[in-house]
Amino acid sequence: NAGVMQNPRHLVRRRGQEARLRCSPMKGHSHVYWYRQLPEEGLKFMVYLQKENIIDESGMPKERFSAEFPKEGPSILRIQQVVRGDSAAYFCASSPSSSRGTEAFFGQGTRLTVV
Amino acid sequence: ELKVEQNPLFLSMQEGKNYTIYCNYSTTSDRLYWYRQDPGKSLESLFVLLSNGAVKQEGRLMASLDTKARLSTLHITAAVHDLSATYFCAVAYSGGGADGLTFGKGTHLIIQP
Repeated sequence: NAGVMQNPRHLVRRRGQEARLRCSPMKGHSHVYWYRQLPEEGLKFMVYLQKENIIDESGMPKERFSAEFPKEGPSILRIQQVVRGDSAAYFCASSPSSSRGTEAFFGQGTRLTVV
Repeated sequence: ELKVEQNPLFLSMQEGKNYTIYCNYSTTSDRLYWYRQDPGKSLESLFVLLSNGAVKQEGRLMASLDTKARLSTLHITAAVHDLSATYFCAVAYSGGGADGLTFGKGTHLIIQP
């Protein structure tokens, strides 16, 4: 059973371009979470999705950021018109359910560098 | 807003010594997680603590939870070099559900031979 797969592992974008980060959850997992990690910091929650639904996006910046988890295919975190401050590691986690005590498993992360 | 504070943020210790990392959080929660992260890598789950007084041990690491004090500890016994990593605690809001976690800033642990 493959773990949470994120791609690309590294992504370089020029200011103003779009970044698309992909996350394929573990088999059988229908809950996906995105986190952002700045250097020397802990992870900051961004958004929680289930298939075709955004459950909690309280950590998402109001502009330029969007996320989806379609019925088929991976979850996508999209950042439009990237700026230098978007440079960070973006981690995706998945879990099989939302029951109390359910553990979320993390992917390897995508390291975004905006130049 | 839930706040999670870890201390120390940086710890250098010698092999064979014991030490404790502390994790305080600001609001009621019934779920606390400890993760390990190696440089440039993802997070590895170490412990999930669900109830007051919970204690879990794996090898040289032991984690405990005191929900009344809003405190969790990660104790390292007879440290070895392989335990060098960054350790994060993460807390969920009460109310159930695998919702988003709030992470501490992490404790960078270096264990020297």
